[in-house]
Amino acid sequence: AQTVTQSQPEMSVQEAETVTLSCTYDTSENNYYLFWYKQPPSRQMILVIRQEAYKQQNATENRFSVNFQKAAKSFSLKISDSQLGDTAMYFCAFLVTNAGKSTFGDGTTLTVKP
Amino acid sequence: KAGVTQTPRYLIKTRGQQVTLSCSPISGHRSVSWYQQTPGQGLQFLFEYFSETQRNKGNFPGRFSGRQFSNSRSEMNVSTLELGDSALYLCASSLSGQSYGYTFGSGTRLTVV
Repeated sequence: AQTVTQSQPEMSVQEAETVTLSCTYDTSENNYYLFWYKQPPSRQMILVIRQEAYKQQNATENRFSVNFQKAAKSFSLKISDSQLGDTAMYFCAFLVTNAGKSTFGDGTTLTVKP
Repeated sequence: KAGVTQTPRYLIKTRGQQVTLSCSPISGHRSVSWYQQTPGQGLQFLFEYFSETQRNKGNFPGRFSGRQFSNSRSEMNVSTLELGDSALYLCASSLSGQSYGYTFGSGTRLTVV
């Protein structure tokens, strides 16, 4: 069974600073995808960034980037130039190719302070 | 294009009753997945439907069921409600293989009293 661990239940960061959220996963599979989702207080969850396990290059989406370490089974999210609108719960998720479901971590609540 | 639409947004039911939640996926998305979100258990996978067939199922009792219609709209039903069923139920649509991630709806907040 796949597991996803987010070891930081809560984090805070000052506006304009950089913050890194941690995620580790456990699997014996070789083909999979990793995701970070953001769920703001209004609750609709949105996809932030996606990483294909067979690609060594780390994914980047504007201010969001990941540090994907396949051997260490680590997938951290870096948010640069944090904005107040980044305040949300962030979920790391894992999908084995053709498994039909994603496994989610417990989430990290991020607060961006002015 | 329109996002994932879930109805109703809020629901209050009494123990023992049954409830039906609805989800309309993004046009072109044929896979619809349902998740239960609670503070204690996080996001738990309920089931996934693709082309009107249940393709995957999580570890929930048989009181939880679902279906998908030919237009890809999906419903989930919970019978004989228990207090522990109180949760946010999220619907997520995706392309067939989900490798591009989910698009979530706003959820239905179910409270069982």
